[in-house]
Amino acid sequence: GDSVTQMEGPVTLSEEAFLTINCTYTATGYPSLFWYVQYPGEGLQLLLKATKADDKGSNKGFEATYRKETTSFHLEKGSVQVSDSAVYFCALSGNYGGSQGNLIFGKGTKLSVKP
Amino acid sequence: DSGVTQTPKHLITATGQRVTLRCSPRSGDLSVYWYQQSLDQGLQFLIQYYNGEERAKGNILERFSAQQFPDLHSELNLSSLELGDSALYFCASSVEMGTYNEQFFGPGTRLTVL
Repeated sequence: GDSVTQMEGPVTLSEEAFLTINCTYTATGYPSLFWYVQYPGEGLQLLLKATKADDKGSNKGFEATYRKETTSFHLEKGSVQVSDSAVYFCALSGNYGGSQGNLIFGKGTKLSVKP
Repeated sequence: DSGVTQTPKHLITATGQRVTLRCSPRSGDLSVYWYQQSLDQGLQFLIQYYNGEERAKGNILERFSAQQFPDLHSELNLSSLELGDSALYFCASSVEMGTYNEQFFGPGTRLTVL
C-alpha cells in the first residue's frame, strides 16, 4: 500500500541555519503531496502542497518540489527562525480510483531552533 | 483557528468504558475525516464521511464507529476501551472529497484510558 518515509529527527538547528527534512513516498499512480506542521498543543496546519510532478509548493519561506523520478518531496528553508520550532509531517493523498482523499502521514520530524 | 471544532478537549476514562468524540466541520465543508495520533503508530487515518455517508475506512478497530449527521457534524464512538486506545484524535474537514482538497484540522481530543 501507499506509504511515506521521512527522517525522524529530532533536528536541532541554530537560528538562520538551512533546513532540509527528507521525505520519500511509495504510491500507486500520481498522489498529491503535502507538508503539515503541528505547533505544540495545536492541530495540524497545511504548510504547502504539490499535486503533480515537478510542482513546487511554497509558503512562509518553506519550499518542497514534487520529484517523481526519486519519489521525493523534501522540505527546505533557507533561514529558520525560533518560531519554526514544531513537528513537521510529510503526507500523501492517493490519486486513483476509489481514493477519497484521506491522508497517509510520515512519522513526523521534530524541529527545534535555538536562538 | 481552522474553523473545525472538537469537543471535549480532554477525556479521561477507564478501561471497558465507552466515549463519544464530537467534531463540527468548517462551514460549508461536506467531508469529515477522523485520524488517531499515538506515539507508537503515529498519525493514522480512521474513517471518512461525505455528506452523511461513509466513504472510506482506514485502520479503524471494530470497537470504534462513527457517523455524520444531517447538520454535518460528526461523532466518533469508542467502546470497550483499552489502555492502547489512549491517543490524540483529530477531526479534519474539506469542501469535497478527493486528492486535491485541503483538509483543515481541529485541535484534537486527547483521550486517556486508565
